[in-house]
Amino acid sequence: KAGVTQTPRYLIKTRGQQVTLSCSPISGHRSVSWYQQTPGQGLQFLFEYFSETQRNKGNFPGRFSGRQFSNSRSEMNVSTLELGDSALYLCASSQSGRGTEAFFGQGTRLTVV
Amino acid sequence: SQQGEEDPQALSIQEGENATMNCSYKTSINNLQWYRQNSGRGLVHLILIRSNEREKHSGRLRVTLDTSKKSSSLLITASRAADTASYFCATDIRAGAGSYQLTFGKGTKLSVIP
Repeated sequence: KAGVTQTPRYLIKTRGQQVTLSCSPISGHRSVSWYQQTPGQGLQFLFEYFSETQRNKGNFPGRFSGRQFSNSRSEMNVSTLELGDSALYLCASSQSGRGTEAFFGQGTRLTVV
Repeated sequence: SQQGEEDPQALSIQEGENATMNCSYKTSINNLQWYRQNSGRGLVHLILIRSNEREKHSGRLRVTLDTSKKSSSLLITASRAADTASYFCATDIRAGAGSYQLTFGKGTKLSVIP
């Protein structure tokens, strides 16, 4: 069974640009969650999608958005990038998102210069 | 905000020794999970313990949960150099109608010296 796939693995963007990250969950998993990891703040929850619907959202500005497609693949978008958005972005999939283990991708390392 | 807090923040031990990491949390939980992260990579699920369980084992891992103290511990026995990683506890809490949120602590960085 293929694991969670995140693309791209590395990105370098300039302040003010926008970026789209992609996540393909494990086959059969309908819940996809996104996290931002930085040395200072640790792992911060961004949002969770289940069956194409955003079920939960963390405390991030509206510049951070996401969506989920009918095949459960998910994308997250960050507009008007700031230096502070430099982080490792992790995607996790689970069968239902409730009380079950989450499977993480390798992450996308975003650097904003 | 962080729900879980791991202690210690960093731990250095010799190969073969046991490593114990602790996690405290603030609110009622559905379950508590432990994850491992090798440097700059994704998280790997280690073990899940439900709120009505007190202890769970998986290979060299032993997890305890004390809901009255809102704390958990992860014990790695007979550590190996390959156990060098950061370890996170994550609490699964109800976030709204039909939704649960996995909230992570800041982790314990374990170094196992060969």
